[in-house]
Amino acid sequence: SQQGEEDPQALSIQEGENATMNCSYKTSINNLQWYRQNSGRGLVHLILIRSNEREKHSGRLRVTLDTSKKSSSLLITASRAADTASYFCATDAYSGAGSYQLTFGKGTKLSVIP
Amino acid sequence: GAGVSQTPSNKVTEKGKYVELRCDPISGHTALYWYRQSLGQGPEFLIYFQGTGAADDSGLPNDRFFAVRPEGSVSTLKIQRTERGDSAVYLCASSFSSLTGELFFGEGSRLTVL
Repeated sequence: SQQGEEDPQALSIQEGENATMNCSYKTSINNLQWYRQNSGRGLVHLILIRSNEREKHSGRLRVTLDTSKKSSSLLITASRAADTASYFCATDAYSGAGSYQLTFGKGTKLSVIP
Repeated sequence: GAGVSQTPSNKVTEKGKYVELRCDPISGHTALYWYRQSLGQGPEFLIYFQGTGAADDSGLPNDRFFAVRPEGSVSTLKIQRTERGDSAVYLCASSFSSLTGELFFGEGSRLTVL
């Protein structure tokens, strides 16, 4: 089962515009992470935000976390064609077998049109 | 190598055959994870190793799936009596510790069962 759900499922924007992706999750978390995946490739870690943080920045990325609403957003400013990829949020969820594992959503497929 | 290495990158097999997928994690990473990703979905947790032992195998779908990590480094995911529904990309990831921080992913092994 998947803990996080991203929306929208797909997003198409023009180069230079900002892209916002949202993630909702179900259970309490210790941290939330965002990953990027280019088509046919592995996932690359973008940013981690802890449950006691509300906002975090990394370059053109801005992540917010609202634990009361169990939601997070990823903002990519001044998008570039190279940002075209799928973006996944991941939360640590109890696996039921004594450990916490990163559980991924279905992802948002971002297309940035040059 | 500097990153997580997975072999083979592509594997085509027939229904009922046995398959092994190999993962070589980043040197020094004690935690190793296997995920499975179907088309259009996020990665789904299969199994987690801390050192040589499988600390959490709750994500393995059935007893046809097994994984080992005998020396605490390289891991092999083994699938017996493959079925068409096993077709997916199998992703391996490693991390420096067992805490759910950043995971470093390989490029994946794409398995196709005919």
